Amino acid sequence: KQEVTQIPAALSVPEGENLVLNCSFTDSAIYNLQWFRQDPGKGLTSLLLIQSSQREQTSGRLNASLDKSSGRSTLYIAASQPGDSATYLCAIPLQGGSEKLVFGKGTKLTVNP
Amino acid sequence: EPEVTQTPSHQVTQMGQEVILHCVPISNHLYFYWYRQILGQKVEFLVSFYNNEISEKSEIFDDQFSVERPDGSNFTLKIRSTKLEDSAMYFCASSAGWREKLFFGSGTQLSVL
Repeated sequence: KQEVTQIPAALSVPEGENLVLNCSFTDSAIYNLQWFRQDPGKGLTSLLLIQSSQREQTSGRLNASLDKSSGRSTLYIAASQPGDSATYLCAIPLQGGSEKLVFGKGTKLTVNP
Repeated sequence: EPEVTQTPSHQVTQMGQEVILHCVPISNHLYFYWYRQILGQKVEFLVSFYNNEISEKSEIFDDQFSVERPDGSNFTLKIRSTKLEDSAMYFCASSAGWREKLFFGSGTQLSVL
């Protein structure tokens, strides 16, 4: 059974800092992994989808890496801004042919001006 | 940019009442989903829908739940007899293909009293 863990649960950084968010998963036989952003009381916005064959995926100031063998993915945010404050979630499809995404609980990021 | 639209944004109902949550997925998408998030907990999968039928459902999605795509644009979730524990944020999502990037709506906050 796939379990997704995100540590820390919360992170507070000053503006301009580079930071890394972590996502761990128990079953390395993954198809892909998505990183989402969730603003309070709002829906989820897909940031990056990284396929199992990829090691990295980049979009602007965001870079997601994937290490299947160690069961880890990281989301790197460069030059953080107050507007980056949100909860960041990672999600992985369940094994086999399932369409179900298994989510982590998220890391709540606060970027202080 | 196309988006998934959900209505209403908030729904308050009495225990035992029926509710219908509405969603308009992105127009050229083929896969449709309902997820929910109880306050402080992980986002959890309810059901996926493809080719006008349920393709997968979770153990949460019991006989009290149903989904429908009554026309070419709407996708609804019905809860026949609501319970207190159904109180949650319900998210609709869609994707263009199997296990592709998921686009979420902004959610319906359901409160069962």
